Amino acid sequence: SYVLTQPPSVSVAPGQTARITCGGNNIGSKSVHWYQQKPGQAPVLVVYDDSDRPSGIPERFSGSNSGNTATLTISRVEAGDEADYYCEVWDTSSDHPGVFGGGTKLTVL
Amino acid sequence: QVQLVESGGDVVQPGRSLRLSCAASGFTFSSHGMHWVRQAPGKGLDWVACIWYDGTKTYYADSVKGRFAISRDNSKNTLYLQMNSLRAEDTGLYYCARSISSAAYDVWGQGTMVTVSS
Repeated sequence: SYVLTQPPSVSVAPGQTARITCGGNNIGSKSVHWYQQKPGQAPVLVVYDDSDRPSGIPERFSGSNSGNTATLTISRVEAGDEADYYCEVWDTSSDHPGVFGGGTKLTVL
Repeated sequence: QVQLVESGGDVVQPGRSLRLSCAASGFTFSSHGMHWVRQAPGKGLDWVACIWYDGTKTYYADSVKGRFAISRDNSKNTLYLQMNSLRAEDTGLYYCARSISSAAYDVWGQGTMVTVSS
């Protein structure tokens, strides 16, 4: 089955840029989605189809996807961005197609 | 407003069954694929199952295939997850989620807790 690999943690100072990676075999050929989850809350979609943002998501959140790595970039990081972030793809070649990465804890220093 | 509300979570013994429900409102339920995603305590997100907008196709994670069954009633705007032969590793918060293009989940419920313990 398809595997997505994320770093367990990323730390960044307020106002700086955070980059969270999601690795997978030829992930550039798939659509990648990103979710933010704060403690005690349901996940929220922040980027879909590699780089699109749902309405209400700040432009500070952006995404890219190429080769074997997709990246979620958060510019001008704020304290409120501290959360767990998950990448996700739909592996159409599999009969169990839903795949999440293991998640990355973003800490704002 | 667009909303998903799960129910049916409980504490059950290993080997028993449970049925979860997810009531949808505020959107055309019959136009969207629907998914169940679970999260064990302190762990990450784990995709469980999905069903097409019209109920004609279903997919399952290997860990639940043959034990869980996803279904929907578009006339009642409700999604279901029948869980049989429950195991301790099925313990977690179960979310239902609506999918848009390429299976991005743009609406989530607040989850219902399932605890499997003797």
